[in-house]
Amino acid sequence: SYELTQPLSVSVALGQTARITCGGNNIGSKIVYWYQQKPGQAPVLVIYRDSNRPSGIPERFSGSNSGNTATLTISRAQAGDEADYYCQVWDSSTVVFGGGTKLTVL
Amino acid sequence: QLQLQESGPGLVKPSETLSLSCSVSGGSISSSTYYWGWIRQPPGKGLEWIGTIYYSGSTYYNPSLKSRLTISVDTSKNQFSLNLNSVTAADTAVYYCASSPKYCGGGSCYPGYFQHWGQGTLVTVSS
Repeated sequence: SYELTQPLSVSVALGQTARITCGGNNIGSKIVYWYQQKPGQAPVLVIYRDSNRPSGIPERFSGSNSGNTATLTISRAQAGDEADYYCQVWDSSTVVFGGGTKLTVL
Repeated sequence: QLQLQESGPGLVKPSETLSLSCSVSGGSISSSTYYWGWIRQPPGKGLEWIGTIYYSGSTYYNPSLKSRLTISVDTSKNQFSLNLNSVTAADTAVYYCASSPKYCGGGSCYPGYFQHWGQGTLVTVSS
């Protein structure tokens, strides 16, 4: 089965750029989605189809996908960006989630 | 704007069947635009996909749960349901239902991302 690997945690200083990676075998050939989840809340989609932002998501959120790594980039990180982030793909008729990354804004 | 709401028992005994329903409002579950999915999250852990269904009844299941899982759709009630049998403590989790816009590419169509989510319901498996 396909696996997605995310770092358990990423820290970023306030106002700086955070990058959260999602590793998978030839993930660049797949469509990647990213979700943000804050404590006690349902996940919210922040990036779809590798690099597109849903309406209402700040331009500070961007995504890329190539080779074996997809990346969620959060520019000018704010305290409100502190959350868990999950990547997701569709592979062989199944949905696969990454294990999640906890973003801490220092 | 679609809204989804999970309902069902919050406590299930080991070896019994976990049954949840998801009511959809603001749109029709018979829409060809969406698939309908279940996702769960054990306390303090990550997201786990359970399965997804199309209004026609076509299903996609997590292979690790497939032998215990049934997902069905009731178009007359505008809801879809989850049945997971032979539960153990490992099935304790917050269960979410969600809509998944159909994505067509490469000559086929399949569920994309999860767009609208229910608030989630905690199901505890304990005697």
